[in-house]
Amino acid sequence: GDSVTQMEGPVTLSEEAFLTINCTYTATGYPSLFWYVQYPGEGLQLLLKATKADDKGSNKGFEATYRKETTSFHLEKGSVQVSDSAVYFCALSDTGGSYIPTFGRGTSLIVHP
Amino acid sequence: GAVVSQHPSRVICKSGTSVKIECRSLDFQATTMFWYRQFPKQSLMLMATSNEGSKATYEQGVEKDKFLINHASLTLSTLTVTSAHPEDSSFYICSAGQGKATEAFFGQGTRLTVV
Repeated sequence: GDSVTQMEGPVTLSEEAFLTINCTYTATGYPSLFWYVQYPGEGLQLLLKATKADDKGSNKGFEATYRKETTSFHLEKGSVQVSDSAVYFCALSDTGGSYIPTFGRGTSLIVHP
Repeated sequence: GAVVSQHPSRVICKSGTSVKIECRSLDFQATTMFWYRQFPKQSLMLMATSNEGSKATYEQGVEKDKFLINHASLTLSTLTVTSAHPEDSSFYICSAGQGKATEAFFGQGTRLTVV
């Protein structure tokens, strides 16, 4: 079945540092890929997505590129802020419109001033 | 973008009582809604999938008589935790799908504490 593997956290960085959170996936078809962010005490918000190979999703300075050859969708940001502290979930869903994402375990990001 | 509203955001109840959590799609019709449970520092666990006008489909290990799900309209699904116990304390999140979009939209979550 489909699965998503994320790097374990927590990831602790200083403000303005470069961020990478690795995500790889296993899927039988051609899934859409997502990054969701969960701030403390809140639900999930869609951060960015990519629906086909080589697509780059971007939002709020975050980027991720759909790499079919390496089955990866790594999240990057050039300069993190304290307000980026949250849990980040990589996810995939099939293209059949099932809306049921397969989530990774989540990676906690802590940014210090 | 599509908005999903969940209510209440926090609830504290006594052991043995029942609690109802509402999930509403505010600006679209959600043919399918999902209920998740999240334990501290863990990922989301899909509990059940509900389709408007039909019975919910529960994931393995989820007690359907304890977690009652009703999806009476295209904009509202409810999760009722019946005879709640302290081990039911958790963060519950709903999500909803729209049309042919591939992503689901999430509610803000409900923190349930059973004392």
